[in-house]
This record gives sequence, structure tokens and C-alpha cells, in this order.
Amino acid sequence: GQQLNQSPQSMFIQEGEDVSMNCTSSSIFNTWLWYKQDPGEGPVLLIALYKAGELTSNGRLTAQFGITRKDSFLNISASIPSDVGIYFCAGQPPAGNNRKLIWGLGTSLAVNP
Amino acid sequence: GAGVSQSPRYKVAKRGQDVALRCDPISGHVSLFWYQQALGQGPEFLTYFQNEAQLDKSGLPSDRFFAERPEGSVSTLKIQRTQQEDSAVYLCASTVGVGNTEAFFGQGTRLTVV
Repeated sequence: GQQLNQSPQSMFIQEGEDVSMNCTSSSIFNTWLWYKQDPGEGPVLLIALYKAGELTSNGRLTAQFGITRKDSFLNISASIPSDVGIYFCAGQPPAGNNRKLIWGLGTSLAVNP
Repeated sequence: GAGVSQSPRYKVAKRGQDVALRCDPISGHVSLFWYQQALGQGPEFLTYFQNEAQLDKSGLPSDRFFAERPEGSVSTLKIQRTQQEDSAVYLCASTVGVGNTEAFFGQGTRLTVV
């Protein structure tokens, strides 16, 4: 099925460093979502974005909905060991097809204490 | 319940066996989704229920896959005559209203077909 282009595929960083990851699509979305998934668990919603250009923060996390509606990024500042996990972007297609999310392949984050 | 609950957490099935995966969504949540997540991949949509109505089953990979939610709460995903390519984590999610933003996911059922 269709999946979003998410990069980087993996990151290995030192504790305290900032992290940036992004997602792009060939088609527009009405909503962009960022999830974190720990091993053996389901995804947990981190940030939801509903308007083009929107910039939203959740603690050390900041995400933006691209102006073109075809991309989004997630930044994590001052990373800590518990940030380890897989981060997924997901997009909701335009109205009329709001029943499915299209997902990226994930960014695996490892943090060295 | 407090969260989305799925059972069993792990299931090993012999090829050709039928399996049933259960999802208990958050109480009162109208929408329920099933996703399939292969190893190293993002989740892929399987099917969507609004209350007891299955409004979208376009993601079900074959007619061996069947889902139901007869009373608008608990849902069951059934896979008949399992094949090795069915091995994956099956995730259930629910949302309070219509649509799928801000979905709450269960822990998933890891199915291994041997």
C-alpha cells in the first residue's frame, strides 16, 4: 500500500543532542500526525497538526505542517535515553476519505547516554 | 476500559489454521480500526468500523480476512487458512468520534504463522 517517505531511517545520537526527522508525500494531506512506538507496544500519538503552516509543541517535541501540505517535520530537543524508539509520521488524506491513515516507514532513534 | 486491549498478545499458528484476534476498544469510542504492521514497516490500514457498521474494508488483503463488530464495541479480526505472509503485528485503534485523528492504539497481537 501507499506509504510516506520518512527520513532518516535511523539515527544514533548522544544524550542532549537535538534530533530532526521529516516526512514527505506526493499528495496533499489534511492532517499530519506523529507517533512513537516502543518495542512490543502500539503507537502512541505525540503531536497532531491540522492546518498548513501550523507549528505545534509538546514539551521537548516540536512539529510543523508544511505549507504545501505535502510534508511535515518533527524536532526533539535535548534528547534523553527514554526518547529511544521508532517515530512514525502519518497523514490523513483529504475529506471524503478520512477513514485511513497513510504511514511512513519510521525513524529508529537510539540515544547514547 | 482505560485503554484499547487486544488479545492474545502473541499467537503462533500452523499454516492453514484459522485464527481470531480480539480488540476491546475504549468504552464509548465510535470508530475502530484494524491495521497490519509487518516487521520494519509502518502500519497499513485493513478495515474501519463506525459503531457496528463496517464502512471500509478496502485494506483487507484477501477474502481470507474477515472482521466484525456486531454490537459496536468489541471487534474480532478472523484470518482463515493462515499463510506465512500473514505473519505480522495486528493493531487495533479506536477514536471517540468519526474519523481517525488522535487514535488510541492497543499493544497489538503478534501473529507468527509456521
